[in-house]
Amino acid sequence: DTEVTQTPKHLVMGMTNKKSLKCEQHMGHRAMYWYKQKAKKPPELMFVYSYEKLSINESVPSRFSPECPNSSLLNLHLHALQPEDSALYLCASSQQDGLISPSPLHFGNGTRLTVT
Amino acid sequence: AQSVAQPEDQVNVAEGNPLTVKCTYSVSGNPYLFWYVQYPNRGLQFLLKYITGDNLVKGSYGFEAEFNKSQTSFHLKKPSALVSDSALYFCAVRDPRGNTPLVFGKGTRLSVIA
Repeated sequence: DTEVTQTPKHLVMGMTNKKSLKCEQHMGHRAMYWYKQKAKKPPELMFVYSYEKLSINESVPSRFSPECPNSSLLNLHLHALQPEDSALYLCASSQQDGLISPSPLHFGNGTRLTVT
Repeated sequence: AQSVAQPEDQVNVAEGNPLTVKCTYSVSGNPYLFWYVQYPNRGLQFLLKYITGDNLVKGSYGFEAEFNKSQTSFHLKKPSALVSDSALYFCAVRDPRGNTPLVFGKGTRLSVIA
């Protein structure tokens, strides 16, 4: 079992809906990440939080809005998504900031998002 | 710029035989290199990493990888494959000199046949 917990496991939403993805880790990790993964493709980095501050936004459309309420929690707020946004959304954490250390990433099992 | 290549989309191996999943990288300096595995409907799991030191790195589930600087390779190996090793494997690289995120290869599907 993964130590990074993501909810919900599956989400179906319409293009006018507002929903949120949640991620939680209790390993004391100080960096957290959102990735998007299409079928049979590598994960694509979306956002990085380091010490609860947004350090990287990989030019993600504003319909995706991340939030890090505390060092254990990471949310991804979704609004007015498009069908092409359907994918597996993975949360990850690392002990230290992955941009300056070799700490490996610990992934959750993801949220399978379908936009109709 | 950093990049990583996994030249094989698919690798098939018989159970009990040795397996190799290939990875080559491009980084200006000395790289940080990682292997991750992804089982169906799961997130990625960390297998092993090379930072510095011994070129042969041992990781989880009996996997190992050899860092070869002259060939810029970091191939994943296992002496005896199990059917349960069947999964999607990702190599990843990062240039430690800059504040750059991890770059993943496209992935290699490993099928171990009983």
